[in-house]
Amino acid sequence: DAGITQSPRHKVTETGTPVTLRCHQTENHRYMYWYRQDPGHGLRLIHYSYGVKDTDKGEVSDGYSVSRSKTEDFLLTLESATSSQTSVYFCAISHTNYGYTFGSGTRLTVV
Amino acid sequence: GESVGLHLPTLSVQEGDNSIINCAYSNSASDYFIWYKQESGKGPQFIIDIRSNMDKRQGQRVTVLLNKTVKHLSLQIAATQPGDSAVYFCAETGEYGGSQGNLIFGKGTKLSVKP
Repeated sequence: DAGITQSPRHKVTETGTPVTLRCHQTENHRYMYWYRQDPGHGLRLIHYSYGVKDTDKGEVSDGYSVSRSKTEDFLLTLESATSSQTSVYFCAISHTNYGYTFGSGTRLTVV
Repeated sequence: GESVGLHLPTLSVQEGDNSIINCAYSNSASDYFIWYKQESGKGPQFIIDIRSNMDKRQGQRVTVLLNKTVKHLSLQIAATQPGDSAVYFCAETGEYGGSQGNLIFGKGTKLSVKP
């Protein structure tokens, strides 16, 4: 997707290990979001950011932390990965707090 | 491909027919609604949006209808094509932690177009 890149695209990790997912944007948007997508649950908000060093929790924030040290990067960290965190993770950006543009997703498998 | 299609309601239509995908939203205070399309292996893609001061909005081959009385949203796709096959999500602005603007997504409907 133009202007927003997620990395890695796929990752397999072991239970108990830390994992960091990266979202990078070139649009200079203020708002950035991390969602997870699971069958039967749709897209659920994990954390979001409304500016550099300004972040807040979403619906399913337990077990996740985020950081935004510069406008273009929003990092999602699983401090100690669990099998329940196996999911597809999407980053989204927004110029205002409406109308998101999504990245292509990161498929994370915790074994 | 993505497993997002599992456990979803499915709408199957013939190519060339019109499709109607429905969505019930939860928050009567929501003032902005969006429809997204998600193809297998990709992120959701914006289709069309509507604000609560409108009942209908049209785009190219798509129309969104909003009925605030019953908190219902629908997406109409005219002359459905095989490329329209995807999972469709509605989303509404929600209030989370006191902060307006975060989108709350429905669980999605899988549209399957038969040639």
